[in-house]
Amino acid sequence: DIVLTQSPGTLSLSPGERATLSCKASQSVNSKFLAWYQQKAGQAPGLLIYGASSRAAGIPDRFSGSGSGTDFTLTISRLEAEDFAVYFCQQYGRSPSFGQGTKLEIK
Amino acid sequence: EVQLVESGGGLVQPGGSVRLACAASGFTVSSSYMTWVRQAPGKGLEWVSVIYSGGNTYYADSVQGRFTISRHDSKNTMYLHMNSLRAEDTAVYYCATMTDPSYYYALDVWGQGTTVTVSS
Repeated sequence: DIVLTQSPGTLSLSPGERATLSCKASQSVNSKFLAWYQQKAGQAPGLLIYGASSRAAGIPDRFSGSGSGTDFTLTISRLEAEDFAVYFCQQYGRSPSFGQGTKLEIK
Repeated sequence: EVQLVESGGGLVQPGGSVRLACAASGFTVSSSYMTWVRQAPGKGLEWVSVIYSGGNTYYADSVQGRFTISRHDSKNTMYLHMNSLRAEDTAVYYCATMTDPSYYYALDVWGQGTTVTVSS
């Protein structure tokens, strides 16, 4: 099974700053099958990025995804107040799995 | 509007059983890729099970042999039958689906979740 390891566990930044979140896979992942989700407290997750780099419908362009193979990155170019949340990567091959999450908190 | 609504959670004794339901609206469950994802208190997301439109089903190792995913086409509802429950099955259970085939199985619609607590 593919294990996804996200770093850092917690990221403390200020609004307006740039956030870079990492997701590393234990073996190569088809980029088509790598997604990022945002989860706010008390809510279900919401899809941000699919296919490693494509934004889901309605997602602002300050969110971008990149990477291939075993290394993937979610970048938020200029943080806004509503972006502070927990972010998960997911690979959805034959046995899907999620990373453990990165908490993005206000500094 | 595409919507998923879970139900059936509650307090269950260890070793007990429960059936979760995920009622869909705005799309057809039988034509869709449907999943269950769970989240233990204060923890991350864990994929649990999937049922494809063709009927194939798959499970996480942690629930294999204890949980069964199914659907009722006329009710447009998916189910998760959970048997031999353990304390570590305590979680919020979400159903989720992909509504756009170009999303390559990414989950773009989620229910609000239903909580299962396994405790004596």
